[in-house]
Amino acid sequence: AQTVTQSQPEMSVQEAETVTLSCTYDTSESDYYLFWYKQPPSRQMILVIRQEAYKQQNATENRFSVNFQKAAKSFSLKISDSQLGDAAMYFCAYFSGANSKLTFGKGITLSVRP
Amino acid sequence: NAGVTQTPKFQVLKTGQSMTLQCAQDMNHEYMSWYRQDPGMGLRLIHYSVGAGITDQGEVPNGYNVSRSTTEDFPLRLLSAAPSQTSVYFCASNRGLGEQYFGPGTRLTVT
Repeated sequence: AQTVTQSQPEMSVQEAETVTLSCTYDTSESDYYLFWYKQPPSRQMILVIRQEAYKQQNATENRFSVNFQKAAKSFSLKISDSQLGDAAMYFCAYFSGANSKLTFGKGITLSVRP
Repeated sequence: NAGVTQTPKFQVLKTGQSMTLQCAQDMNHEYMSWYRQDPGMGLRLIHYSVGAGITDQGEVPNGYNVSRSTTEDFPLRLLSAAPSQTSVYFCASNRGLGEQYFGPGTRLTVT
């Protein structure tokens, strides 16, 4: 079974600074996708970024980028120019191409200091 | 296009009561899932479906039933509510490439 580990329960960043959220996963599959989801206080789950395992290039979406290290099974999220609206819980997730299941990490609470 | 809808948004049950959480999607997605979210536990998969008439268990299926008679609907039934089922429940759908579309969630309290 796949596992996703987010070892830091909380992080804090100064507004306009850069922060990196860590995620590791364990799998024996070669076909999979990785995601970062954001959950603000509204509770709504919002997709931040997605990475296909077969792509070597790291995904980017505006201020959000990932560092995907396939051999190390690491998938960290970098948030540049942090904004107050980035304060939320962030979940790393693994999607198996074999059984179509999405497995989440336990999440990390990010606070942004003005 | 409403996306994924869930009802109710909030519910309080007494131990032993049964209820059904409703979920519907209008994106013609084959895959639908139910998750529960508990503090410090992330989202855990309860049941999922890869198409109408096909369901399977996830990580924490005990105490819950599902059925999928249509592509659009995927209700979650609590057979006999227990305080351990107090949680936030999310329904989600996807077209098979992993990107989940989530409903707004249902906060359930069992007393």
